Amino acid sequence: DTGVSQDPRHKITKRGQNVTFRCDPISEHNRLYWYRQTLGQGPEFLTYFQNEAQLEKSRLLSDRFSAERPKGSFSTLEIQRTEQGDSAMYLCASSDSREGRYGYTFGSGTRLTVV
Amino acid sequence: EDKVVQSPLSLVVHEGDTVTLNCSYEVTNFRSLLWYKQEKKAPTFLFMLTSSGIEKKSGRLSSILDKKELFSILNITATQTGDSAVYLCAPNTNAGKSTFGDGTTLTVKP
Repeated sequence: DTGVSQDPRHKITKRGQNVTFRCDPISEHNRLYWYRQTLGQGPEFLTYFQNEAQLEKSRLLSDRFSAERPKGSFSTLEIQRTEQGDSAMYLCASSDSREGRYGYTFGSGTRLTVV
Repeated sequence: EDKVVQSPLSLVVHEGDTVTLNCSYEVTNFRSLLWYKQEKKAPTFLFMLTSSGIEKKSGRLSSILDKKELFSILNITATQTGDSAVYLCAPNTNAGKSTFGDGTTLTVKP
């Protein structure tokens, strides 16, 4: 296992377009998290899954954002009708709660630029 | 709403200096506190602290948690240029969710 993989690494899109990002967590990790990070800020929580169940979604997240984790493996994050304010690094992380280890392993992120 | 405040926001030191980074937090259903190091990519895990007063060490880095005062510090001794990074503090809840501070940017000059 090579860690958490995210695809694509970079995405440039025009305002109003839809984008979808993919995250493949470490295979034995049951929890998967999505965070967003802008320059000079710490990662901001978006949502997380335990297996295939989405357990929490940030109140800051508008209805334009949706995430799925079918079969409890990879996850996708979709942003509809993108806005310039959506430009950020989107980070995926996974962890294994069953061993009580709550340290995240992060992927390299997807950098979104909305023009 | 959960809150994490890190100080200082930035710090510039010379190689060999010792630094102390601070993190205060207010988090509902607190379980543990994690420290991460972020260079020009995603954060990497450093420490997880769950008990007050027990120091965790890894080489020149050490950290301690005070659950009564809702505070943690990260110490780096004999700093090296490779320690230059953003250091993030992240309290974690029973549900496994972390709230991140905005980080301390450490610059170590040769």
